[in-house]
Amino acid sequence: EDQVTQSPEALRLQEGESSSLNCSYTVSGLRGLFWYRQDPGKGPEFLFTLYSAGEEKEKERLKATLTKKESFLHITAPKPEDSATYLCAVRKNYGGSQGNLIFGKGTKLSVKP
Amino acid sequence: NAGVTQTPKFQVLKTGQSMTLQCAQDMNHEYMSWYRQDPGMGLRLIHYSVGAGITDQGEVPNGYNVSRSTTEDFPLRLLSAAPSQTSVYFCASSYSQGNEQFFGPGTRLTVL
Repeated sequence: EDQVTQSPEALRLQEGESSSLNCSYTVSGLRGLFWYRQDPGKGPEFLFTLYSAGEEKEKERLKATLTKKESFLHITAPKPEDSATYLCAVRKNYGGSQGNLIFGKGTKLSVKP
Repeated sequence: NAGVTQTPKFQVLKTGQSMTLQCAQDMNHEYMSWYRQDPGMGLRLIHYSVGAGITDQGEVPNGYNVSRSTTEDFPLRLLSAAPSQTSVYFCASSYSQGNEQFFGPGTRLTVL
């Protein structure tokens, strides 16, 4: 069964304390892995798309990486405004129902000043 | 651009009532979708559309109907509301299926 598992479920960091969030997947033939940020009471906001193992993308304090079985979202020197739930989603094929995204349950990140 | 808009933001229904959640996008996106988000369950796909006149079922379609008469609009209809449909509903759109999706602000629905 296709699955997307995110860990940890929740992460508390002090401001400036770097860490990583994990997204592991068990889909065959990955056609894209997506990271989103969701603030409380709002819709998810797109961050990155990764397509192949070894690919990396960066945006401010965030860097996403991809291997054949998992992706990491590295947060360097986080600030309180980075507090949010981070969602991972995968696409396993083109067309039909298999072209839709499969979402993980998310990691809730809290950054304390 | 307004992006993806949803109305209403909040709604309370009684069991058995019907209603329509509205979704519109102004980005000329072909792909639109509806998700529900429940605590501990993540985002689950209800219905999706790859273009005007084309819709299909997602993971949890029971109790919901959709139509796509224009590129811009993708309404979600609850036929006979049940307490199990209490959730936060998000509409999303993308240039095509599988591309990064843009989400609306959500509708928080409570069914009593």
